[in-house]
Amino acid sequence: DAGVTQSPTHLIKTRGQQVTLRCSPKSGHDTVSWYQQALGQGPQFIFQYYEEEERQRGNFPDRFSGHQFPNYSSELNVNALLLGDSALYLCASSWGVGLNQPQHFGDGTRLSIL
Amino acid sequence: AQRVTQPEKLLSVFKGAPVELKCNYSYSGSPELFWYVQYSRQRLQLLLRHISRESIKGFTADLNKGETSFHLKKPFAQEEDSAMYYCALSGRLTGANNLFFGTGTRLTVIP
Repeated sequence: DAGVTQSPTHLIKTRGQQVTLRCSPKSGHDTVSWYQQALGQGPQFIFQYYEEEERQRGNFPDRFSGHQFPNYSSELNVNALLLGDSALYLCASSWGVGLNQPQHFGDGTRLSIL
Repeated sequence: AQRVTQPEKLLSVFKGAPVELKCNYSYSGSPELFWYVQYSRQRLQLLLRHISRESIKGFTADLNKGETSFHLKKPFAQEEDSAMYYCALSGRLTGANNLFFGTGTRLTVIP
């Protein structure tokens, strides 16, 4: 089991562009959460998807949106990119929602905005 | 609002010495507390959680509700313990099993 996989590994964009990041959860997991980790900071929760719906959302603007597919994989979309969006984006998967199940993290996608 | 404070960004100890990584939290209610670790070139992974009361790789952490602390301790540090450590909490206010992280402490164990 490869665990949580994320693509791409690295991405460079310019201000104003749009980006899509992808995540495949660990086998047997049905819940996907996304986190943003700025340099020198801990991960910050963006949102969580379960049963193809956004269930929880952190303090992020509407420029950040997502999607979950029937196979439980997920995408994170960011529109109108700002310099401050440069960060490591982590995907974490778990089984179920509201059960405090341990989250398993991927390696992340490093997004750089020029 | 919830808050997790890890006062030390960097911590260095000698091999064989005791180590304590501090974590204090602020939360209205009963949170669940976690320690996550990231070794060099590896992904973030769960080290331990207070609800399971386990000892993982010799590390323990006790939830002190009076002091709102969840310090991570190990009596004898090993070189392989060098890593980035994050304290995190979850609970009803954070939303189900979503995690609220501290800023992390980088532990270096000196041979």
